[in-house]
Amino acid sequence: EVQLVESGGGLVQPGGSLRLSCAASGFTFSSYWMSWVRQAPGKGLEWVANIKQDGSEKYYVDSVKGRFTISRDNAKNSLYLQMNSLRAEDTAVYYCARGGGSGWYMIDYWGQGTLVTVSS
Amino acid sequence: QSVLTQPPSASGTPGQRVTISCSGSSSNIGSNYVYWYQQLPGTAPKLLIYRNNQRPSGVPDRFSGSKSGTSASLAISGLRSEDEADYYCAAWDDSLSAHVVFGGGTKLTVL
Repeated sequence: EVQLVESGGGLVQPGGSLRLSCAASGFTFSSYWMSWVRQAPGKGLEWVANIKQDGSEKYYVDSVKGRFTISRDNAKNSLYLQMNSLRAEDTAVYYCARGGGSGWYMIDYWGQGTLVTVSS
Repeated sequence: QSVLTQPPSASGTPGQRVTISCSGSSSNIGSNYVYWYQQLPGTAPKLLIYRNNQRPSGVPDRFSGSKSGTSASLAISGLRSEDEADYYCAAWDDSLSAHVVFGGGTKLTVL
C-alpha cells in the first residue's frame, strides 16, 4: 500500500523558515517523480514544486522560486521542502504527492497533508 | 486565478447524472492528458480519473471522463450522497511557469 506521511508543519513568523518532510513507503520511491502541492484555507489546489527520480531536475511555481527548495533522499525514501522567507500567503496545507513529472505520469497518490501557518 | 477553469459549484439529486466542465488552453488540456481528483470534506485529494478517461482500480464506473480540444468533463451518473465533495481537474502544462496546473475546483452538492 502506498503511504506518504508529511511532517514539519507549524506556526512560523513572516520571514521565517520551515522544513517539511515526507516519508514514503509501499512503492519504489527512487522510480518516481515527486511533487509538493498546497491548499490555502478554503481555497483550491496549487502545485508548488516537483523533482525528478534522481534529483537532477527540479521545478517550481513562480511564486516560490528563490525561496523554496525541493530535495529528496532516495536511501531514506524521503522527500523534503525547505521553505525560506515565508510570507502570509504561503499559509496552507502542504501535500506530498507521488508523480507529477509529465503529462503521462501525473499525481496519483497524496499524503494527508501538513499545515503551515505564517503569522506574527 | 486558476489556469484551468471550472464552475465553482454543481448540484444534483440522488440518482441523477451531473457533469463538471474544465476549460484550459493549447499548452495544457489541448496537448496533454486530463486528470480528475475528488476531495471529500477534511481529507486529502484522491485520484478519480487519469489520462482523460481511465479509472483507477476501486473507482466506480459511475464516474467517467472525456476530453475534446481544450476542454474536458467529468460525469457522475447515479448520484449518491457520498459523492458530495470538491472535484478538481488537472493537467500538465508545457509552459515554463508551472508544470502542473489545477482547476479552481467544483463543489458538488447532493440535494
